[in-house]
Amino acid sequence: SQQGEEDPQALSIQEGENATMNCSYKTSINNLQWYRQNSGRGLVHLILIRSNEREKHSGRLRVTLDTSKKSSSLLITASRAADTASYFCATAGQLGSNYKLTFGKGTLLTVNP
Amino acid sequence: GAGVSQSPSNKVTEKGKDVELRCDPISGHTALYWYRQSLGQGLEFLIYFQGNSAPDKSGLPSDRFSAERTGGSVSTLTIQRTQQEDSAVYLCASSPSNEQYFGPGTRLTVT
Repeated sequence: SQQGEEDPQALSIQEGENATMNCSYKTSINNLQWYRQNSGRGLVHLILIRSNEREKHSGRLRVTLDTSKKSSSLLITASRAADTASYFCATAGQLGSNYKLTFGKGTLLTVNP
Repeated sequence: GAGVSQSPSNKVTEKGKDVELRCDPISGHTALYWYRQSLGQGLEFLIYFQGNSAPDKSGLPSDRFSAERTGGSVSTLTIQRTQQEDSAVYLCASSPSNEQYFGPGTRLTVT
């Protein structure tokens, strides 16, 4: 069963705007990761946030984590056409299963030039 | 440096045939994963290898699926007696710790 669920399923914005994607999950986690996928092939790791962290930045990316609400958000600022892709959150469990990532179904982001 | 590579990139096979998918992980990565992704869906975990430990096969959907990892490096995912529902992109990833590095995938089509 899916652990993480992204919201919205699809998002279309204009270049230069910010894009926010959300992820909700159900069970306790060790860490949460965001990945990007272009054209239905390999995924690229974007950022990892640990369960004891609340916010993390990487370039134009900002990730927040609220473990009390079991949710995370990914913000992409000043979007570019090249940011068009599917974005997945993935959760790593606790208690010896932290190696296994459970992926959501993703958010399809379209950035229009 | 070299990333994760997979072969073939595309495979079309007839129902009932066996297929082998290959994954070459990043050198030095001790963990290797196989996932399956159907059209418009997230990734479905299949199997996990870590060093010399027994693999976690909990995600394999049936006994027609098997995988091995030789010498702690190259891995092969084998699907026997393929069915149409096996059609998907099969992704391999390797990892040094937490983050995973994915290959480009093998698109399998069973006709």
